[in-house]
Amino acid sequence: GAVVSQHPSRVICKSGTSVKIECRSLDFQATTMFWYRQFPKKSLMLMATSNEGSKATYEQGVEKDKFLINHASLTLSTLTVTSAHPEDSSFYICSARIGEGTYNEQFFGPGTRLTVL
Amino acid sequence: DQQVKQNSPSLSVQEGRISILNCDYTNSMFDYFLWYKKYPAEGPTFLISISSIKDKNEDGRFTVFLNKSAKHLSLHIVPSQPGDSAVYFCAASSIYGGATNKLIFGTGTLLAVQP
Repeated sequence: GAVVSQHPSRVICKSGTSVKIECRSLDFQATTMFWYRQFPKKSLMLMATSNEGSKATYEQGVEKDKFLINHASLTLSTLTVTSAHPEDSSFYICSARIGEGTYNEQFFGPGTRLTVL
Repeated sequence: DQQVKQNSPSLSVQEGRISILNCDYTNSMFDYFLWYKKYPAEGPTFLISISSIKDKNEDGRFTVFLNKSAKHLSLHIVPSQPGDSAVYFCAASSIYGGATNKLIFGTGTLLAVQP
């Protein structure tokens, strides 16, 4: 099956620093990648949709200047949490979609646990 | 506004018995539904899906039932195995969402299968 990786799996940083999370589709090309955030015992909340070569589409309430998304190639999307604060601590998960069909399945990465001190 | 709801945060069943996980949705535009399984500190993995033109889809031990009039779907696992213990999320999407194929997730149900 399709494999999506994320790096790093876990990061601890000081308040005010920026953190970059990478999402890679290892054995397929993903024209669309999605970034989710999950709080403890909560649902996965879609943050943004990332299309290769174009600007990301952010969900309502998500600060685009805070969460920078770059989809530089068909196999890589990055999420940069700028000037991180403790409230940004969360589990961030990316997913990648194969193809352009409406119902094409999304494959999820293993997630990145961000802790901001 | 939680458009997809899983009202049972947890469920415990005995090994070999049936597990039934429920999901309700409010948006009548949703026409494709999926179930994902998630272990702690891992990303979700796809289990099974169903289109709104069907009311049942079966894959091995997993069956999803859709009741459009009640805006309700359920996942049946039979027989349940200890390895099924995980958090199960239902998710919904709409063709009207366009090519972005956004998924709206429920809050999840923690299934514990007792040996």
